Formats: sequence, structure tokens, C-alpha cells
Amino acid sequence: EVVLTQSPATLSLSPGERATLSCRASQSVRNYLAWYQQKPGQAPRLLIYDASNRATGIPARFSGSGSGTDFTLTISSLEPEDFAVYYCQQRSSWPVTFGGGTKVEIK
Amino acid sequence: EVQLLESGGGLVQPGGSLRLSCAASGFTFSSYAMSWVRQAPGKGLEWVSDISRSGSNTYYADSVKGRFTISRDNSKNTLYLQMNSLRAEDTALYYCAKDRKRDGYNDEWGQGTLVTVSS
Repeated sequence: EVVLTQSPATLSLSPGERATLSCRASQSVRNYLAWYQQKPGQAPRLLIYDASNRATGIPARFSGSGSGTDFTLTISSLEPEDFAVYYCQQRSSWPVTFGGGTKVEIK
Repeated sequence: EVQLLESGGGLVQPGGSLRLSCAASGFTFSSYAMSWVRQAPGKGLEWVSDISRSGSNTYYADSVKGRFTISRDNSKNTLYLQMNSLRAEDTALYYCAKDRKRDGYNDEWGQGTLVTVSS
């Protein structure tokens, strides 16, 4: 099973700042990695797939990078609606796994 | 507009059974693989199961293998999760989710149905 480790657990930033979230895999997942955003009381929303492709309707301030075992989600300039929990997910092999999440909170 | 509407959750005793349903609309259901993902209260996301477009291929998390069965009825545009031998640790909000484009990523999600396992 591929273990995904996300860091930091919590990121405290102000609107307008840049957010950098990390996801590390216990073994290579090639580029089969996605990022999801979840707000309280809502279902997750797909942001990035195949490590670097933005899903339909996702603003350009969200970008993903990486391959193999190290991945990054960057939010270039935080908007008020971006404060949420972010999860990475690997689709390289079954069982599918999620990281533990990074909470981006308002500083 | 894609809609996924889960139902069937509720309170069940340990060792009991439940069947969850997910009614799909707004897309050609038979053309997409589907997934169940759960989230325990205050915790992160946990993948539970996948099913292929035809239903011939199914995959399970180790934590539910042998106890849960995923299935689908493409004539009814409905996804199911039969849950047997339920345990307290199965308590969670269960989401059904649609495959994006045969790549496994989930681009549409329902709002979830809550399963509580408690005596």
C-alpha cells in the first residue's frame, strides 16, 4: 500500500499570501496523483489530476507539480474562499490512498 | 448537471448490515467507473471501493474486504454498497463519487450519507 504523507498538517497564512503544500509518497506513484479541496460540511472537490493538470473550472492560482514520490500544490495568492483542508490522492495502484490532509487556516 | 444522491445510511448495531444507494443523473452512468469514499467524524478521507463501468471489476480497501460489496445497476443509474458485519470503526459519512475520464480521479461527489455503528 502506498502511504501518502502530507505536510504541514496546518498552514496559517493571510489572504494574498502564497501557500505551498507537500505530499510525499512511500513509493513512486509516477504522476498519478490528485489534489482535492474540502470545506466544512461540503464534499471534496477535485483541483488537480495527474499531478499538474487543473480540473475543469479550477482557477489558475492553483497549480500542482512533482512526480515519483514528491508533489506540491501551490496556491499563488490565497483568496478568502481557499481556506480549507487539502488532500492528495494516489491512483497509481490499488488500494487507492489519500494523504492525511493539510488545513490552510487564516492567520 | 451531474447529481449523485446517496441514501440508506442510519444507525445500526455492531455486526449488523446496511445497503447504501447512490442515484446518479445528468450523465451517462454506464460510461463511468464509480467509487465509494468515507470520512469518519472529524477525520480525513478514506477510499473504500471502486467499480468498473460494467461492474465486472471491483476493488476494495483492506479494511472492508470480505465485508462490503460494491455493485451497480446501469439500467437504474444506481450504485450500491452492501455493508455486512459492521463495526464501530465503520462509522462515517459515505460519499459516492464519479470517475473523471477513465483515470480514477473523482470529479463529481454526492453529499454523503451517514452511517453510525453503535449499540
